Amino acid sequence: ILNVEQSPQSLHVQEGDSTNFTCSFPSSNFYALHWYRWETAKSPEALFVMTLNGDEKKKGRISATLNTKEGYSYLYIKGSQPEDSATYLCASYYNQGGKLIFGQGTELSVKP
Amino acid sequence: DTAVSQTPKYLVTQMGNDKSIKCEQNLGHDTMYWYKQDSKKFLKIMFSYNNKELIINETVPNRFSPKSPDKAHLNLHINSLELGDSAVYFCASSQGQGVYQPQHFGDGTRLSIL
Repeated sequence: ILNVEQSPQSLHVQEGDSTNFTCSFPSSNFYALHWYRWETAKSPEALFVMTLNGDEKKKGRISATLNTKEGYSYLYIKGSQPEDSATYLCASYYNQGGKLIFGQGTELSVKP
Repeated sequence: DTAVSQTPKYLVTQMGNDKSIKCEQNLGHDTMYWYKQDSKKFLKIMFSYNNKELIINETVPNRFSPKSPDKAHLNLHINSLELGDSAVYFCASSQGQGVYQPQHFGDGTRLSIL
């Protein structure tokens, strides 16, 4: 059974705080790691697709790193803003069955 | 212009009925998906089509039948609806097999069975 786990499940921070959360995935048969941002009442939006060990990607104040050997990825948000409040999903792609396996998400709430 | 649109947004119906959810994408993608958001909020793949050909068919009751008339459309038909079918269903699309390209999601259809 392929499980993707995210921690913490929820996080409450103050505006201006920097924060990070973790996505853990089985490292065998790994192909790619996706990060999505999911605002309430909207659809998930892609942030990053990462494939190589040591990959680092950045989009504005959000960045992500990837360690395929130990099976984890970190998502960082620098100087959180209330508009960053959302659920952040990671998903790992496996060739077995050719599908994305999603984690349950980290729900981030940023208070002004 | 909505990239992936699914209709209806809300569907409330009686147990035993048959219903369909439609999905259309205008991104020119060749792969489309149906996901179910389960009670623990996980997104779980149900089906995937690539150029109208079924490529993923997860362990889903055969009351659920996807249909792809062309690569821009993937509809989901559900027969004999049961209480346990209540969930939010998401359509998505991607270029290629969705490995190295992100998936683009619709806004979801909230299905409630009375």
